[in-house]
Amino acid sequence: GQQVMQIPQYQHVQEGEDFTTYCNSSTTLSNIQWYKQRPGGHPVFLIQLVKSGEVKKQKRLTFQFGEAKKNSSLHITATQTTDVGTYFCAGGNTGGFKTIFGAGTRLFVKA
Amino acid sequence: EPEVTQTPSHQVTQMGQEVILRCVPISNHLYFYWYRQILGQKVEFLVSFYNNEISEKSEIFDDQFSVERPDGSNFTLKIRSTKLEDSAMYFCASRSTGIQPQHFGDGTRLSIL
Repeated sequence: GQQVMQIPQYQHVQEGEDFTTYCNSSTTLSNIQWYKQRPGGHPVFLIQLVKSGEVKKQKRLTFQFGEAKKNSSLHITATQTTDVGTYFCAGGNTGGFKTIFGAGTRLFVKA
Repeated sequence: EPEVTQTPSHQVTQMGQEVILRCVPISNHLYFYWYRQILGQKVEFLVSFYNNEISEKSEIFDDQFSVERPDGSNFTLKIRSTKLEDSAMYFCASRSTGIQPQHFGDGTRLSIL
């Protein structure tokens, strides 16, 4: 079945350093979604990318969707302690009926 | 801002018993989902529901599981003959269309003893 791989599993950074998590799907995706989950919390939607090669920015966060619509990345510039949590990518199929999550990257930020 | 509401927040059940997890999606949403997250692991898709029927289900969603939308507001997940490995956080999510963001509830922590 469809798989979504995500690396790294963990990332420790010093506050102010950059952070990137990468996502790769075994099949072509209709869209890719990114979520953030704080410890003990639920996934919170960050963004959805739909177009091949799409790049979107939200303040210090930059999201990319690959040309082949099989990979994606999230880059955080100058991390802050409020960025801690687990970032999940999730691949969506046509119609929006199924979303497959990656394993997530847990970000630790040291002040 | 409208929220997805899940009850109970924590459910403790003896192995072999049946449980029903309840969700109230956002009122104008049409697409409903259940996910499972075992502690420390990834979010796993279980099932999607649209137009009063299951749209897609994963390999996890076998005959032990069923979903229902008994009225215009509730969306339930029933797990029959619970097993120890069913212990997890169960999240309900909803969205207005197939391309709009999914909104997640706070989850129900299911503990099977």
